Amino acid sequence: GQQLNQSPQSMFIQEGEDVSMNCTSSSIFNTWLWYKQDPGEGPVLLIALYKAGELTSNGRLTAQFGITRKDSFLNISASIPSDVGIYFCAGSRYNNNDMRFGAGTRLTVKP
Amino acid sequence: DAGVIQSPRHEVTEMGQEVTLRCKPISGHDYLFWYRQTMMRGLELLIYFNNNVPIDDSGMPEDRFSAKMPNASFSTLKIQPSEPRDSAVYFCASSRTGLNQPQHFGDGTRLSIL
Repeated sequence: GQQLNQSPQSMFIQEGEDVSMNCTSSSIFNTWLWYKQDPGEGPVLLIALYKAGELTSNGRLTAQFGITRKDSFLNISASIPSDVGIYFCAGSRYNNNDMRFGAGTRLTVKP
Repeated sequence: DAGVIQSPRHEVTEMGQEVTLRCKPISGHDYLFWYRQTMMRGLELLIYFNNNVPIDDSGMPEDRFSAKMPNASFSTLKIQPSEPRDSAVYFCASSRTGLNQPQHFGDGTRLSIL
């Protein structure tokens, strides 16, 4: 089955810096989702993308569905300490009984 | 609105014992998913249901694992007999319309098999 490659695995940044992470696949996806997971909790949806080229924002977060439909990006602007956590991408193909998750990007924000 | 509710939050038991994890999805959500999360393998979809019917159980690791959804508001994931390699965090999630739609996750059950 298709694999999702998420990078970077981890990031250590200063408060106020911008962050960028991405997911790529060798297969085409119809849906890209970005989740955040805090310690001891389940993943929480941040942004959902359904069209190639789509650019969607949620506060300081912006995500894009790549034109090739094989990748997606998540950017966080002006990071704050509560942005700490693990960010997951997830993708699925229409009419395909499969939702794949990336391995996650662990974000640490230093005050 | 109540989210997805899982119980127990933590379970520690000895290998060979039967383990039952429980989940109550969000009311009105037709899809229910069971996931397993480990450091080595990340988040893996084990099985999902649509309108209480199992649709795809290809992610279930082996016959020791079974899942049921007797009604729209309750599902169980059972491991019998349990083994140390089953130790993981198990998540239940639900969505309104399908696998490729946003899913709402519970807080998980942290399972430790000694």
